[in-house]
Amino acid sequence: NAGVTQTPKFQVLKTGQSMTLQCAQDMNHEYMSWYRQDPGMGLRLIHYSVGAGITDQGEVPNGYNVSRSTTEDFPLRLLSAAPSQTSVYFCASSYSGGTRETQYFGPGTRLLVL
Amino acid sequence: TQLLEQSPQFLSIQEGENLTVYCNSSSVFSSLQWYRQEPGEGPVLLVTVVTGGEVKKLKRLTFQFGDARKDSSLHITAAQPGDTGLYLCAGAKGGTSYGKLTFGQGTILTVHP
Repeated sequence: NAGVTQTPKFQVLKTGQSMTLQCAQDMNHEYMSWYRQDPGMGLRLIHYSVGAGITDQGEVPNGYNVSRSTTEDFPLRLLSAAPSQTSVYFCASSYSGGTRETQYFGPGTRLLVL
Repeated sequence: TQLLEQSPQFLSIQEGENLTVYCNSSSVFSSLQWYRQEPGEGPVLLVTVVTGGEVKKLKRLTFQFGDARKDSSLHITAAQPGDTGLYLCAGAKGGTSYGKLTFGQGTILTVHP
C-alpha cells in the first residue's frame, strides 16, 4: 500500500492564481481531512470528509474548496491564491476506529504564494 | 484561540537527560493523541490515550492523560539524538473524531550528542 499520497510536493503560485492540491489514499478509509501547518501554530483543520459526497468545513475553510467524488480521492482547491495561504498542506485519512481512530498523514505539499 | 496549549515550544537538551512536554486545555477531549514529525514529512501517530488517568508506555516514552481528560503529558527518559523532532498533541471530541483533530502548537525537541 502507498498509504496517503499528495501531489505536488512543492508549488509556487502568484497571487490570484488557482490550483488544486491532490490527495489519494489506498486504504479504503472513510474519513479524509486537509490541514495546514504554519510555524508556531501546529496543524489547523481546513476541510474534512466522512465519506464520498460528504464534506464539511473545519477551523480555517475560507479560500479553499473541496469535493469528494470517490473514497480514494480528496482534492483541495485554492480559488484565488493569497500570500496568507503560503503554508505546508497535509492530507490525512482514517477509518472509524472509535476513540482509538488512527490518522495517517501524507508527506505534505509546500506552497509559496508570491 | 488555541484550544490545546503545548509547552514548552522549544526544548534543547543533552543526550541522557529526561524531559516532559505538556499539553493543556480548558476543554474535555474524548481522546488525546501524540504525534512525532520529522522535517519534510507528515506527522506519525505515537499513541492514543482515551481514559482519564490512562498511562501508556512506548519504550522510553511515557504518555499520560489527565484524570479530567483536559490535559496530557509526554515524558522521555534518557533522551537520545534519534528522539529529535517535532512533537504534537492532538485532541478529538466525541466518540469518533471523523478525521477532525485539534492540534497543539508543537514542541521542537533537539537532543545533542
